[in-house]
Amino acid sequence: GIQVEQSPPDLILQEGANSTLRCNFSDSVNNLQWFHQNPWGQLINLFYIPSGTKQNGRLSATTVATERYSLLYISSSQTTDSGVYFCAVQGAQKLVFGQGTRLTINP
Amino acid sequence: EAGVAQSPRYKIIEKRQSVAFWCNPISGHATLYWYQQILGQGPKLLIQFQNNGVVDDSQLPKDRFSAERLKGVDSTLKIQPAKLEDSAVYLCASSTNRGPVQYFGPGTRLTVT
Repeated sequence: GIQVEQSPPDLILQEGANSTLRCNFSDSVNNLQWFHQNPWGQLINLFYIPSGTKQNGRLSATTVATERYSLLYISSSQTTDSGVYFCAVQGAQKLVFGQGTRLTINP
Repeated sequence: EAGVAQSPRYKIIEKRQSVAFWCNPISGHATLYWYQQILGQGPKLLIQFQNNGVVDDSQLPKDRFSAERLKGVDSTLKIQPAKLEDSAVYLCASSTNRGPVQYFGPGTRLTVT
């Protein structure tokens, strides 16, 4: 099945910093989503982005499908951005989640 | 618009007991998913329903897990008998027929002692 690798596994930053999270995947995909899991466990969909670039406020994402990777950018981080960020991809079968990047934003 | 509802939020049982979780998807969402999330890992799909039919249950441990979605709306996931390794958060999600974006409920945290 399709493999998903996220990096870095952990990231600790000060409030106001920028960050880039990476997702590599092993096969062509027709569905790629980024999620944020907050400290209470709620998973929130951030982007549906199988290719191209999207922006939503301080967050943006880029997927280069031909090179099998996606990047999530967070600018001017706030403490509420803390949590785990998951990349999930789908090829011919089910949606497969990566192991996540745990982001901690300190005040 | 109401989100995906799940109950209970927390459950503690002893091994070999049985447990059931309930999920009500977003109104009008034809597709319903159950995921298992073990601590420190990403969610893993257990079963996917399209209306009340099963689309994918390849990762469901069928000797102890069962799920149903009667009338194509809400769904229950049951574990019988539970094992220690079933301790996890069980997440329900739903999506429309027209798009792949999945919306998740708050989850049920199961602890098996």
